[in-house]
Amino acid sequence: SQQGEEDPQALSIQEGENATMNCSYKTSINNLQWYRQNSGRGLVHLILIRSNEREKHSGRLRVTLDTSKKSSSLLITASRAADTASYFCAMRQTGANNLFFGTGTRLTVIP
Amino acid sequence: GAGVSQSPSNKVTEKGKDVELRCDPISGHTALYWYRQRLGQGLEFLIYFQGNSAPDKSGLPSDRFSAERTGESVSTLTIQRTQQEDSAVYLCASSFHSPTNTDTQYFGPGTRLTVL
Repeated sequence: SQQGEEDPQALSIQEGENATMNCSYKTSINNLQWYRQNSGRGLVHLILIRSNEREKHSGRLRVTLDTSKKSSSLLITASRAADTASYFCAMRQTGANNLFFGTGTRLTVIP
Repeated sequence: GAGVSQSPSNKVTEKGKDVELRCDPISGHTALYWYRQRLGQGLEFLIYFQGNSAPDKSGLPSDRFSAERTGESVSTLTIQRTQQEDSAVYLCASSFHSPTNTDTQYFGPGTRLTVL
């Protein structure tokens, strides 16, 4: 069963605009990670934020984490057509061996 | 260095047949994970190996599913008596450390399994 929910399920924007994706989860976590998936195959790790962190940046990516609300957001600034992909949040639950993945957001960036 | 590799990339089989999926993790990675992803959905955890410790099999959906790993090398996921509901992409990932606050998983390209 899914431990994380993402919204929106799908997002379509023009190149150059910003894209924001949200993730909510249910349990206590050690960290939260965001992954990107192209064409339904392998995932690529984008960024990790620890439970004691509130915001993190990596290039055009900005991630926030609010553990009191059990939510995170991923912002991609100045989007490019190459950013078109599915984006998943993944939670490292306290004491768990694996990651629990969200339902994913399908981002389409129109050139 | 090489990333995580999986084979075959695609597998079509008939209902009731057994299939074996292979994963080669990144050299030196002690942890290995198998996930299943049904069409349009997120990833479901199946099984986790860490070094020579007993695997965490808590995600395996039925006793038709099993996996093996020899030391810190190749892993095989076996599905016996396949059913149409087993159709999915099976993803393998590896990571360097045992689960900590900071480990990152590196994913293979997946095996797309279609059960007719």
